[in-house]
Amino acid sequence: ETGVTQSPTHLIKTRGQQVTLRCSSQSGHNTVSWYQQALGQGPQFIFQYYREEENGRGNFPPRFSGLQFPNYSSELNVNALELDDSALYLCASSLGIANTEAFFGQGTRLTVV
Amino acid sequence: DAKTTQPTSMDCAEGRAANLPCNHSTISGNEYVYWYRQIHSQGPQYIIHGLKNNETNEMASLIITEDRKSSTLILPHATLRDTAVYYCIVREGSARQLTFGSGTQLTVLP
Repeated sequence: ETGVTQSPTHLIKTRGQQVTLRCSSQSGHNTVSWYQQALGQGPQFIFQYYREEENGRGNFPPRFSGLQFPNYSSELNVNALELDDSALYLCASSLGIANTEAFFGQGTRLTVV
Repeated sequence: DAKTTQPTSMDCAEGRAANLPCNHSTISGNEYVYWYRQIHSQGPQYIIHGLKNNETNEMASLIITEDRKSSTLILPHATLRDTAVYYCIVREGSARQLTFGSGTQLTVLP
């Protein structure tokens, strides 16, 4: 157990809809990163939040957005869902953005139909 | 793109040491090497990381060559539960994000 919890564990959405995924970081961690993992591939970096500010972003369109709250929990929002957004969404928390360990949650499996 | 290259797959006998190689020839002087593993459909699990010295923890040992262009993860006594995809990662970018490659599928055989 890493202390990083994600909700929901699974959900099914229809193309064009919007979805919000949630992540509760490990106690004391102020940095949350989000990753998308398509079937059979390694996780791809979406973005990172450090102390409530976006600190870096991967190659994902603006319809992927996020938020980090004062308690350092985080949300990932995806608008205008496409079939290719079907994936396992992972969040990882760490203490700072230096070279420390990042611990992952179990992920949210999103299916877009 | 990932800065690392790993073999696609490896087998190891249960109880024996598993040695997983990784090449990172373009690594910069201040970039760390990280190892994670992922068991099917679960979140990646942190194993170990290092800069230039060899590192050991309760899970594994990390051996980094003197020129830092390659490293080896050693699981000293592999068990069936160590069957997983192992990722060797160089953290990079302003966010020090983890850039995952394809990893090595390690299968521990009984």
